[in-house]
Amino acid sequence: DVKVTQSSRYLVKRTGEKVFLECVQDMDHENMFWYRQDPGLGLRLIYFSYDVKMKEKGDIPEGYSVSREKKERFSLILESASTNQTSMYLCASSFGRGTHHFGPGTRLTVT
Amino acid sequence: GNSVTQMEGPVTLSEEAFLTINCTYTATGYPSLFWYVQYPGEGLQLLLKATKADDKGSNKGFEATYRKETTSFHLEKGSVQVSDSAVYFCALTLGGTSYGKLTFGQGTILTVHP
Repeated sequence: DVKVTQSSRYLVKRTGEKVFLECVQDMDHENMFWYRQDPGLGLRLIYFSYDVKMKEKGDIPEGYSVSREKKERFSLILESASTNQTSMYLCASSFGRGTHHFGPGTRLTVT
Repeated sequence: GNSVTQMEGPVTLSEEAFLTINCTYTATGYPSLFWYVQYPGEGLQLLLKATKADDKGSNKGFEATYRKETTSFHLEKGSVQVSDSAVYFCALTLGGTSYGKLTFGQGTILTVHP
């Protein structure tokens, strides 16, 4: 079974802090994705990566950056956290255009 | 651009009732369509999918048919159970260089009472 793990289930940070969210997958998938989930808005794509060191912006990249130094790991970085980045963050991986496999999510609160 | 619209929720049903959650889409090209489900406290998991017009996806008693003429992919189940209480997301992906990234609907919260 594919396993996607995220570094924290719950995180509380202060405004202006630099925040790192880590995601690891164990199935050698080339594609990895970061989405944020907000009530009434569904999931929106922040960034995705289709290979090591390759990344593309999604629909809402402002205020975020990403890093993929190894195939199995995809990090989401909030350079200076703001309260409007309080949300649930979901990581996913896939092979080609196959099924997304999601992690359990990180609920981030910025105060 | 591409978009997915789901019926407004939340939906509350009694056990053994019939379920329909409507989903319509707008896409350039020929998308693949998905239903994902999120149980409380968990990430999303694939429920079913269809990759071309008139395909029917099915799993765990749920069904959805890819209707190109109405650009729809409505989710149905004949008899819901309490364990079906979850959030349901309709989504699409396109081919080409999309790398499989998904466009999601807003999500529909389903609560089933005994």
